[in-house]
Amino acid sequence: GAGVSQSPSNKVTEKGKDVELRCDPISGHTALYWYRQSLGQGLEFLIYFQGNSAPDKSGLPSDRFSAERTGGSVSTLTIQRTQQEDSAVYLCASSALGNSGAETQYFGPGTRLLVL
Amino acid sequence: AQTVTQSQPEMSVQEAETVTLSCTYDTSESDYYLFWYKQPPSRQMILVIRQEAYKQQNATENRFSVNFQKAAKSFSLKISDSQLGDAAMYFCAYRSLQGAQKLVFGQGTRLTINP
Repeated sequence: GAGVSQSPSNKVTEKGKDVELRCDPISGHTALYWYRQSLGQGLEFLIYFQGNSAPDKSGLPSDRFSAERTGGSVSTLTIQRTQQEDSAVYLCASSALGNSGAETQYFGPGTRLLVL
Repeated sequence: AQTVTQSQPEMSVQEAETVTLSCTYDTSESDYYLFWYKQPPSRQMILVIRQEAYKQQNATENRFSVNFQKAAKSFSLKISDSQLGDAAMYFCAYRSLQGAQKLVFGQGTRLTINP
């Protein structure tokens, strides 16, 4: 079946511009995660959605970052007023359950963001 | 907070030989999950193997197996009969059963396979 998809694959933007990154999880997966992979910080958790519950935003690095998940499926990560330090690969993952049961997280191919 | 440490930034192995990648972690929890993910140049994170902490038996998946030492908080990955397609970054990850159950990743080990 179809895996997690992300778009765009690559994004180049100018400092100060806003960007939106999209994630389509595996159909039926209730949990969705965003991670950031950068040279200096490695792989970092950003935000977690589980069903209709309030998202866990504890990993968002600043208030310029926000995310939403519409209809329990597609998610959009928005970065406002981008800075050069936002340059990274943004990875999305989904899993079948967010409760104890530790379902495996399946990752998308990521969006590489470059802020000039 | 949990931490995961991979002390080998790079490893190399001859094709068809065996290699072991190291991972240690720190946690005060008794129940959790551990994973090894592979990331080839395509960027796609691919699950290699997972281990439930409550299971004493080490997980295996074909040529991949782990050595899980709970008391020592160690979780190494052994790749047998290494193949060229195994070349990638390998990440060890910890997942709590509490809260967001996010993955906490190690820094990664770059594995090179020499033909």
